[in-house]
Amino acid sequence: AQKVTQAQTEISVVEKEDVTLDCVYETRDTTYYLFWYKQPPSGELVFLIRRNSFDEQNEISGRYSWNFQKSTSSFNFTITASQVVDSAVYFCALSDRYNGDKLIFGTGTRLQVFP
Amino acid sequence: DSGVTQTPKHLITATGQRVTLRCSPRSGDLSVYWYQQSLDQGLQFLIQYYNGEERAKGNILERFSAQQFPDLHSELNLSSLELGDSALYFCASSDGGANPGDIQYFGAGTRLSVL
Repeated sequence: AQKVTQAQTEISVVEKEDVTLDCVYETRDTTYYLFWYKQPPSGELVFLIRRNSFDEQNEISGRYSWNFQKSTSSFNFTITASQVVDSAVYFCALSDRYNGDKLIFGTGTRLQVFP
Repeated sequence: DSGVTQTPKHLITATGQRVTLRCSPRSGDLSVYWYQQSLDQGLQFLIQYYNGEERAKGNILERFSAQQFPDLHSELNLSSLELGDSALYFCASSDGGANPGDIQYFGAGTRLSVL
C-alpha cells in the first residue's frame, strides 16, 4: 500500500536556523513521484517541488533544498536560514501508477519560526 | 495565485442541508480533483474529473457527488450534511490526464462549517 509518513508533527526554530523536515514514503511501484506542498496560515496549498523516482539528484532552490534517497525511501526538505514567513504546515505527497495521479499526503509538519 | 478559483470561501450551514462548492480550474487544465482536509482524516482525495468524465474516485461518501461541466468548471455537491462533514474542501487542477507525475495546483479552499 502507498503511504507517506511525516513523523515530525511540529517543529519550532528561531529565525536564521536551518531546519529539516522529514518524509518517508512507501510504494510498490518503481515509477512514482514525490511532492512537497506548503500550507501557510491563510490556508491555501502551494506547490513547492516534484521529483520522480528516476531522478535522485538533490535540488536547491534559493533557501530550499531537497534530499531524495531511494535507499531509505526518504525525501527530506531543508530550509536554510529560516525566516518568519516560512511558518506554515508542510506536506509531503506521493503519486504512483497504482493510484493514477491522486496524491497521497502525509499528515504534515507544522513549522513555527520565531523572530 | 495558483489560478484555481474556489467559491465560496466560507460556508456555514446546518445538519441535513445540501451545499454546492464550485471550482474553476486554471486556464487550459482538463483535470479537476477534489480533496477534503479535516483534523481527524488529514488531506484525503475525493474524486477526479478529466475533460468532463469521472476519472478516479477516492473515499467519497455516497451523500457527496461531483461533476465537471463543458466549460471545465466543477461542482462538488454535499447533501444530508452531518457535523463530521465540517472541513476544508480543496479543488486542484492539472493539465494532464491520469498521469501520476502531473503537478496539481490547488485553490484556496472552501471552509465548510456544519452546525
